[in-house]
Amino acid sequence: DAGVTQSPTHLIKTRGQHVTLRCSPISGHKSVSWYQQVLGQGPQFIFQYYEKEERGRGNFPDRFSARQFPNYSSELNVNALLLGDSALYLCASSLAKSGGPARETQYFGPGTRLLVL
Amino acid sequence: ILNVEQSPQSLHVQEGDSTNFTCSFPSSNFYALHWYRWETAKSPEALFVMTLNGDEKKKGRISATLNTKEGYSYLYIKGSQPEDSATYLCAFKYSGAGSYQLTFGKGTKLSVIP
Repeated sequence: DAGVTQSPTHLIKTRGQHVTLRCSPISGHKSVSWYQQVLGQGPQFIFQYYEKEERGRGNFPDRFSARQFPNYSSELNVNALLLGDSALYLCASSLAKSGGPARETQYFGPGTRLLVL
Repeated sequence: ILNVEQSPQSLHVQEGDSTNFTCSFPSSNFYALHWYRWETAKSPEALFVMTLNGDEKKKGRISATLNTKEGYSYLYIKGSQPEDSATYLCAFKYSGAGSYQLTFGKGTKLSVIP
């Protein structure tokens, strides 16, 4: 079975532009989470979606938005890009409600590396 | 702000050596502790999920323990091999609003020298 896939793998944008990153979860997984990892830091939680509804949001500005589609794939959108948005963006999927959220394992994709110039 | 601390930041060990590293997290509102292994240019791979104080998990040569009262978890690798070279991340879940999100430490980068 395919794991979590993300596209594109790499992206270069300039300040002020917007970007859309895409994620396809593992088949059967209904929840998708997005994380941002900047150099030298651990991944930071941005959003989680379950059944097309936002279930959680991290401490990120409104320039960041996301949505989940009926097939459970997801998009992360970032508007008015800043240099500081340069990072690896990770998507993770989970079954959700599998033994409760405590034991819910999130399975990660390889990430999209975004460079903002 | 919840802080998850991992130590050391990096270490180099010889093939065959055993090693361990630490993850510290807030002991209040504990919900779960996850360990991941992340090899360069690959996706983070889930190793363990632990929820109960005193939990011990084992997968091959890798094992982990959990102390929720004092807020730490240890990851042990017995007889390190070059293929164990990776960054090991721990991630904390807290009860309530944070029960669905992972709060990560910065990771411990392990290099195993053949």
